[in-house]
Amino acid sequence: GENVEQHPSTLSVQEGDSAVIKCTYSDSASNYFPWYKQELGKGPQLIIDIRSNVGEKKDQRIAVTLNKTAKHFSLHITETQPEDSAVYFCAASEGNTPLVFGKGTRLSVIA
Amino acid sequence: DTEVTQTPKHLVMGMTNKKSLKCEQHMGHRAMYWYKQKAKKPPELMFVYSYEKLSINESVPSRFSPECPNSSLLNLHLHALQPEDSALYLCASSQGWGGGTEAFFGQGTRLTVV
Repeated sequence: GENVEQHPSTLSVQEGDSAVIKCTYSDSASNYFPWYKQELGKGPQLIIDIRSNVGEKKDQRIAVTLNKTAKHFSLHITETQPEDSAVYFCAASEGNTPLVFGKGTRLSVIA
Repeated sequence: DTEVTQTPKHLVMGMTNKKSLKCEQHMGHRAMYWYKQKAKKPPELMFVYSYEKLSINESVPSRFSPECPNSSLLNLHLHALQPEDSALYLCASSQGWGGGTEAFFGQGTRLTVV
């Protein structure tokens, strides 16, 4: 089955700097890669996703890149703000399979 | 509107109690999910309903019993739970099952078993 590795497990950045979180997946048939942000005491919130027919997707300060050959995808957050502090999860799925989540990255943005 | 509503937000129950968690969505989604999340861990899939039929049961103990009364509602009935079942229980929904459709989560029910 699919296995998703996520790095780093914790990340601290200064406000205004960029943050990058990386994930690798094992199943080359996976074709959907969402990212979720989970704030303390809340459910995961879908912030961006990418499908295997696209190499990059951007939404304001957030971007995701996908390298199918290397089987990895990354989340890029630019101009970080304190409200970006949260746990971020990557996930992957293929066809009729459930989402497989990475272990999460705790991002702290220091003002 | 991408809202999935879960009630209650918090629940404390004894090991002999019976309680139910409720989940509701009005996005017309035909797939609904229950996840369990322990502290500092990713969500762990428990059940998947597709078109109101149970599609996946991830070998969940029978003390957890899901129910999908209609396409908008999902319940999780709890009975004879153990303290280790204390966790955040998350409901999610998506347009369909599979094919990489966006899944939206509720805020969760924080369950404590005493």
